[in-house]
Amino acid sequence: NAGVMQNPRHLVRRRGQEARLRCSPMKGHSHVYWYRQLPEEGLKFMVYLQKENIIDESGMPKERFSAEFPKEGPSILRIQQVVRGDSAAYFCASSPGGSNSQYFGPGTRLTVL
Amino acid sequence: KQEVTQIPAALSVPEGENLVLNCSFTDSAIYNLQWFRQDPGKGLTSLLLIQSSQREQTSGRLNASLDKSSGRSTLYIAASQPGDSATYLCAVKMDSGTSYGKLTFGQGTILTVHP
Repeated sequence: NAGVMQNPRHLVRRRGQEARLRCSPMKGHSHVYWYRQLPEEGLKFMVYLQKENIIDESGMPKERFSAEFPKEGPSILRIQQVVRGDSAAYFCASSPGGSNSQYFGPGTRLTVL
Repeated sequence: KQEVTQIPAALSVPEGENLVLNCSFTDSAIYNLQWFRQDPGKGLTSLLLIQSSQREQTSGRLNASLDKSSGRSTLYIAASQPGDSATYLCAVKMDSGTSYGKLTFGQGTILTVHP
């Protein structure tokens, strides 16, 4: 049973470009969480999704950031018009229904030039 | 708003020492508390999860305790080894009436165990 997969592992974008980060949850997991780890800071919650629904987006910046978890395929975290301050490690975690354990992926490290 | 604090921020010990990492949280209405390990440039590995009704959990050389009423948890590592060197993160999940929901993390303790 493969773990949580994230790709790409490293992503470099220039200011103003779009970044798309993908997360494939563990098999059988229908809950996905996105967290961001800024340099020298702890992990901060961004958004919690279930299939086709956003449950809690209280940690998402109001502009430029969006997330989806379609019926088929991976969850996507999309950052439009990236700025240098978006440079961070973005982690995805998944959990199955009825469980409170979250399993983390290896993260995507975004660098904005 | 829940805030999680970890002390110390960094710790350097010789191999073989027993050590304690501390975690405190401001809101005691938690569902569970989890300790993670993060290696440089890597993801998070769950070490121990303590439900709010539990007092401690043990796994090998690791023991985590929880005092919910005082808002504190400790992670005890026995007979430390160089391979234990990593960042240790404490995270709490609030009691929202369901088992799902976001984790609130501390800043972490950077542990270095030297031979």
